[in-house]
Amino acid sequence: NAGVTQTPKFQVLKTGQSMTLQCAQDMNHNSMYWYRQDPGMGLRLIYYSASEGTTDKGEVPNGYNVSRLNKREFSLRLESAAPSQTSVYFCASSPWGTAPTEAFFGQGTRLTVV
Amino acid sequence: AQTVTQSQPEMSVQEAETVTLSCTYDTSESDYYLFWYKQPPSRQMILVIRQEAYKQQNATENRFSVNFQKAAKSFSLKISDSQLGDAAMYFCAYRNAYSNTGKLIFGQGTTLQVKP
Repeated sequence: NAGVTQTPKFQVLKTGQSMTLQCAQDMNHNSMYWYRQDPGMGLRLIYYSASEGTTDKGEVPNGYNVSRLNKREFSLRLESAAPSQTSVYFCASSPWGTAPTEAFFGQGTRLTVV
Repeated sequence: AQTVTQSQPEMSVQEAETVTLSCTYDTSESDYYLFWYKQPPSRQMILVIRQEAYKQQNATENRFSVNFQKAAKSFSLKISDSQLGDAAMYFCAYRNAYSNTGKLIFGQGTTLQVKP
């Protein structure tokens, strides 16, 4: 009963380093999302993938890239990390369609860029 | 663009008492969904309650209920008989009902402290 699984849970990077956050869901959802959570700002959408093969920018996409590897997996890449990218990152998924279904979230990744 | 505002960064309540968390939103859409999520220290995002804008009746889930005022664009969460396990950050979120994706717009969050 895994739901949405993110790896890693914690990461420290030096400025300029790159890394990829991995996300997988086992609920057969079409749509997947990456959010970042910062104090006083709630969760903000970075990128999303409405369905396999498509990706779109969210509210704060600068400095990030994403890949929808298949229906289950959606990764987030930081090519050259900056201290402003210090945040908690959440992957989420939801079914496709207009029904009022909620999004299901992973456990989050706390990323610190020094 | 839609926005969600939670104007109370922190709230506290005595165990067994009732507390209300505020949320306002701005949208030009006529149909949408509203959610309250709970985030305990574990960071897990847990759905507390949802409201469909076309429904006039306020949603309830056990000790949790909402006061949905569509004209005022207000969506407050009432927690009755507060328990120590209710201590968490609470997020209000908006979703456009016309969109097939489940993109959410979140408020800033309210940290709830429950005092024994």
